[in-house]
Amino acid sequence: RKEVEQDPGPFNVPEGATVAFNCTYSNSASQSFFWYRQDCRKEPKLLMSVYSSGNEDGRFTAQLNRASQYISLLIRDSKLSDSATYLCVARYSSASKIIFGSGTRLSIRP
Amino acid sequence: GAGVSQSPSNKVTEKGKDVELRCDPISGHTALYWYRQSLGQGLEFLIYFQGNSAPDKSGLPSDRFSAERTGGSVSTLTIQRTQQEDSAVYLCASSEPGQGKNEQYFGPGTRLTVT
Repeated sequence: RKEVEQDPGPFNVPEGATVAFNCTYSNSASQSFFWYRQDCRKEPKLLMSVYSSGNEDGRFTAQLNRASQYISLLIRDSKLSDSATYLCVARYSSASKIIFGSGTRLSIRP
Repeated sequence: GAGVSQSPSNKVTEKGKDVELRCDPISGHTALYWYRQSLGQGLEFLIYFQGNSAPDKSGLPSDRFSAERTGGSVSTLTIQRTQQEDSAVYLCASSEPGQGKNEQYFGPGTRLTVT
């Protein structure tokens, strides 16, 4: 079983729609979680950290459910520019390696 | 300031040859990571350096792969006797020291093609 698992998609949604995807992690001791965004043939870049209380950054909302060991990303009022692959990331501690999921592809259509 | 740089940006090599890939992290970043990404796939963790601690090599796929980090800065990933399945983009990332400093900054990657 992979340490961090994501639905690979692709999710194909119309502009303006709300889309959400989840990511599960296997190590209950994981402490830190993040969402990264990767555009085609580009390097990944941090989108947002995920906090236990949930956090919002504009149209993006991230949630953490420790009991069920998953994190989620919600994108409201999706834009064409949101088309990318979204990578879920978990870290066990500040001294440990960072584990990336395989990514979820999102395509926003006009 | 300068970001993470990697060289070469592209490398084409013949099967069986050795290759060296270089990563220059952001100055002051003590953590350095190497990942491999095949076309359409996620990031595969290879190796992690943190300060002067022994590196976490648990992701290296075979003993043909090795990495060094000299002086706590520049890192070199070496692949010996390359195989066609080694073809991928090799990404390097660095992050700042300290609790809560988790954001990884990625270099543009080296695209390796083994013919």
